[in-house]
Amino acid sequence: GAVVSQHPSWVICKSGTSVKIECRSLDFQATTMFWYRQFPKQSLMLMATSNEGSKATYEQGVEKDKFLINHASLTLSTLTVTSAHPEDSSFYICSARRTGQGVGEQFFGPGTRLTVL
Amino acid sequence: GQQVMQIPQYQHVQEGEDFTTYCNSSTTLSNIQWYKQRPGGHPVFLIQLVKSGEVKKQKRLTFQFGEAKKNSSLHITATQTTDVGTYFCLSGAGSYQLTFGKGTKLSVIP
Repeated sequence: GAVVSQHPSWVICKSGTSVKIECRSLDFQATTMFWYRQFPKQSLMLMATSNEGSKATYEQGVEKDKFLINHASLTLSTLTVTSAHPEDSSFYICSARRTGQGVGEQFFGPGTRLTVL
Repeated sequence: GQQVMQIPQYQHVQEGEDFTTYCNSSTTLSNIQWYKQRPGGHPVFLIQLVKSGEVKKQKRLTFQFGEAKKNSSLHITATQTTDVGTYFCLSGAGSYQLTFGKGTKLSVIP
C-alpha cells in the first residue's frame, strides 16, 4: 500500500507553454500533498504544501502565479507550470501524507522530469 | 524557515566499514525523519524520531535524536553495497515538515 504516482514521468515543452503535472495517491487518501523541486545532485526543495479543498501554502521565493497548485480531491493534486522557461527545467517530485496521520511519513511519487526548450 | 545542516556531503567507504551522517539544527525540532534515495529513484521513508534522546534501530541502521532535539544521526554498521544512495533528514517544526537536509551521498566500495 501507500503508492503515489506522477504523470507524466517526463515532459519536453517549448518556452512559453504551460505544463501540468499530476500527483495521485493510488491506495490511500491524502489531505496533504507536497511539491518539491530537485536539481541535479542536490537536495529536495519544498515548493508548496497542497491541502485538499483549500489554497496551497507556498514557500518563500516560489511564485504562486507561476506554479499553480490544485488539490481538488483526496487523491489528486496538480502542479501547473505556467509560461515555462528554460530555468524551470528540473525534476519535480510530489509526496503525500495519509489523511489523519498528522506529522507522519511522506510517500513520494517517482518524479517528473521537465525540460523546457 | 528553519535551517538544517547535514554532514558529510559525500562518504566513500569500503564494504564492511561503518557509516554515519549527521543533521544539526539551530532551533529545537518537533521531530525528524530520515529518507533514503537510491540513484535514479525517489526518497523512501526510513524512520521518524519524536522524543528527546530517542534511539531506534532497524537491523544495521541506528537512528538517534539528540537530548536537545536539535540534532540527529543515522549510523550504518558494516555497510553493504545495497546501502548505496543518498540519505536525507527531514526536519519538522510544529505540524509541518519544512526542510530537507542537503543529503549525504554514500558510496560503498566492494
